[in-house]
Amino acid sequence: QITLKESGPTLVKPTETLTLTCTFSGVSDTNRGVGLGWFRQPPGEAPEWLALIYWNDDDRYSPSLRSRLTITKDTSKKQVVLTMTNMDTVDTATYYCAHMRFSYHGLDVWGQGTTVTVSS
Amino acid sequence: SYVLTQPPSVSVAPGKTARITCGGNDIGTKSVHWYQQKPGQAPVLVVYDDSDRPSGIPKRFSGSNSGDTATLTISRVEAGDEADYYCQMWDSSSALHYVFGTGTKVTVL
Repeated sequence: QITLKESGPTLVKPTETLTLTCTFSGVSDTNRGVGLGWFRQPPGEAPEWLALIYWNDDDRYSPSLRSRLTITKDTSKKQVVLTMTNMDTVDTATYYCAHMRFSYHGLDVWGQGTTVTVSS
Repeated sequence: SYVLTQPPSVSVAPGKTARITCGGNDIGTKSVHWYQQKPGQAPVLVVYDDSDRPSGIPKRFSGSNSGDTATLTISRVEAGDEADYYCQMWDSSSALHYVFGTGTKVTVL
């Protein structure tokens, strides 16, 4: 059974860089799917995709945020790290990592989420 | 970019059927997933690939997809089904790979 847990700062200042870590466990050859993705959800809004990384380290980014995002994977540590530069108050949200299934990349496992507030 | 439109709210009495629509241009040619999200919790996948259910999801949850509308149907609604529901599609042909619907609040009367 795959489990995911996000970690990182709860408060960042405008212009700072946010670094979030998703620690995963329970991934095996029978359930590994295609990789992991990062999503965020501002209060009262729908989830928004940020970035994804396949198990082969290929990555993709949301076009609107591409210039600010970097996603990396350390399989030995069982971690996927997302960095987002130049944080702004509009980036205040709960950030989630999620596991992508083989079939049409459905998100079958989500972490509990970590809430990030951007404020001076 | 692709837009998925859902009704903001649906109200349903216990034991009745709730239908949540997800509208998009030719969405019937895509594969749609549905998520349930309760307050303060992460989303949970309840239907994938239009109409399949993950293990542990009750058979009361079903999905369909045709033309310009995908639909999540909740039969014999229970109080515990009160939540926000989001449709989502994967678009491999676009740079915006994951598209989520606007979300529907289901209220059990």
